[in-house]
Amino acid sequence: GQNIDQPTEMTATEGAIVQINCTYQTSGFNGLFWYQQHAGEAPTFLSYNVLDGLEEKGRFSSFLSRSKGYSYLLLKELQMKDSASYLCAVRGDLRDNAGNMLTFGGGTRLMVKP
Amino acid sequence: DAGVIQSPRHEVTEMGQEVTLRCKPISGHDYLFWYRQTMMRGLELLIYFNNNVPIDDSGMPEDRFSAKMPNASFSTLKIQPSEPRDSAVYFCASSTLTDNEQFFGPGTRLTVL
Repeated sequence: GQNIDQPTEMTATEGAIVQINCTYQTSGFNGLFWYQQHAGEAPTFLSYNVLDGLEEKGRFSSFLSRSKGYSYLLLKELQMKDSASYLCAVRGDLRDNAGNMLTFGGGTRLMVKP
Repeated sequence: DAGVIQSPRHEVTEMGQEVTLRCKPISGHDYLFWYRQTMMRGLELLIYFNNNVPIDDSGMPEDRFSAKMPNASFSTLKIQPSEPRDSAVYFCASSTLTDNEQFFGPGTRLTVL
């Protein structure tokens, strides 16, 4: 099975940097994903890590350590529009028929204040 | 492409009634997923299909829930009979095997009174 933990809520200030952590324990692993979900909307894809290290995409970066079962999403130069929930998700092992199947954490609600 | 299409966007029904949610995946995508999202339980995978075949339905809560995919461009999720605890937002998503992204539809907000 999969167990994914992330903080429930975080607050940060506009223009600042925030790091959202995610830890996971899984029976199989084929990638870790971050999704953004604004209130009342569908989740949208932000990033994907399958190898250890940092992936940077504009103001957003995502880090993965497979040995520690740990990832974080880093948001820089925060804007008010970044207020949303951020969902960490793990993809199962393709070999055990869990290909492309994602298990989501509970999500971290980020509030950006002026 | 119009993206994943779901209907209806909102559904209000009474306990005991049958509810059918519909989804049209992105053309060319061979995976289709049904999720349910609530405040208490977050985003949960109910069932997913590969090339119209159900692969894993272990997330389907009970026999009242059923899902079909008669062809590559259409899927339904049916609840019969519906109960108030089924109230949630139901999302459909699609992807390819090589894609690292699942594309979500806008969701159906279901309220069972």
